[in-house]
Amino acid sequence: DQQVKQNSPSLSVQEGRISILNCDYTNSMFDYFLWYKKYPAEGPTFLISISSIKDKNEDGRFTVFLNKSAKHLSLHIVPSQPGDSAVYFCAATVLKNSGGSNYKLTFGKGTLLTVNP
Amino acid sequence: NAGVTQTPKFRILKIGQSMTLQCTQDMNHNYMYWYRQDPGMGLKLIYYSVGAGITDKGEVPNGYNVSRSTTEDFPLRLELAAPSQTSVYFCASSLTRDRGRSPLHFGNGTRLTVT
Repeated sequence: DQQVKQNSPSLSVQEGRISILNCDYTNSMFDYFLWYKKYPAEGPTFLISISSIKDKNEDGRFTVFLNKSAKHLSLHIVPSQPGDSAVYFCAATVLKNSGGSNYKLTFGKGTLLTVNP
Repeated sequence: NAGVTQTPKFRILKIGQSMTLQCTQDMNHNYMYWYRQDPGMGLKLIYYSVGAGITDKGEVPNGYNVSRSTTEDFPLRLELAAPSQTSVYFCASSLTRDRGRSPLHFGNGTRLTVT
């Protein structure tokens, strides 16, 4: 039972254009969401996160949007650069009522983004 | 600044063999974790530790053991390797338990094949 779904295994965009990576979740208890980026032969690195009390969080070229009613979040990268080519993982957790600590992050399968020069 | 270091990078085991995956971090993080990533899948938590001497099971602990004798080291032990344990294993650490302010720092992984 996949609680975090990234339905697009891959995405290809041109340099300078917008990349939109999507993520859907089924567990309505999730209240904190994160995106990790992974290059080949390396571990994932944290990119950006969003709490369920917000609907948008921005950090430079990266913006995450959260639509709670649709149980959907998306990561926008503008403008896309060749160095953004990587696998992007969406992850979710339940922070409320856990004292801010929940060791379980539920990950999606990832989306491979390729940015073409 | 090394961060989280995992050894070995690659390993091939025969069914029934045992091995220890090493993980060490130099960031003085109390919290450490072991994840596995199967091909085409997301990461799943195997074990975690909130400090030296304290460990607990994650989602998929069967077939594994851990210990945490120091803040820096968190080895993962496979006692009787099975083909189902073929995976990429990631060790991670975090400064605090606050997932909002303290994201995970991952090592570069150990690719394990059991044949």
